[in-house]
Amino acid sequence: DQQVKQNSPSLSVQEGRISILNCDYTNSMFDYFLWYKKYPAEGPTFLISISSIKDKNEDGRFTVFLNKSAKHLSLHIVPSQPGDSAVYFCAASAGLVGSARQLTFGSGTQLTVLP
Amino acid sequence: EPEVTQTPSHQVTQMGQEVILRCVPISNHLYFYWYRQILGQKVEFLVSFYNNEISEKSEIFDDQFSVERPDGSNFTLKIRSTKLEDSAMYFCATGELGEQYFGPGTRLTVT
Repeated sequence: DQQVKQNSPSLSVQEGRISILNCDYTNSMFDYFLWYKKYPAEGPTFLISISSIKDKNEDGRFTVFLNKSAKHLSLHIVPSQPGDSAVYFCAASAGLVGSARQLTFGSGTQLTVLP
Repeated sequence: EPEVTQTPSHQVTQMGQEVILRCVPISNHLYFYWYRQILGQKVEFLVSFYNNEISEKSEIFDDQFSVERPDGSNFTLKIRSTKLEDSAMYFCATGELGEQYFGPGTRLTVT
């Protein structure tokens, strides 16, 4: 059951450059998407989210783009910093507004930002 | 900044024993969740809880699992008779609407 897929297990970028992390989904009922960052032995840390009624959401260095027709979203980090090195998870949810919603996670992408 | 806390950070138990994992949610959040991550695998949904009852549960959440919010603050996950395959990181998450905020996790090791 791979409803949310992150096809790149790892990504390396130079400090100061752009990091682009990708995520694909198959379930057309998903209407809310989130990105999390995770360090070893810690819980996922919420970064940014986007509703399916939007195609872009920006928060500081982080921008998430959603292409509903392609069932694809991406996280851009500009500029990348060494402290951004972590595993990044894409997650998606579906359901009624105001209801509890389970998140379906991708397998994660290990981002390494090289100084 | 408010955060979700979980205790214990690490629990070692023998197969067949009961364990209770505890979570203190962010105070104004209404939705509560448990997830787990087996080593090397994806984070998986277990159960959601809203208005003092289970909203949704996954196939993993069988009769051996239960959740409750006994005192209006703590949110607990009980595993009645642990199995070796229950060894995993267990994460509590809480939220208001779409976003969910995760605790640091409890590493459960069943021997």
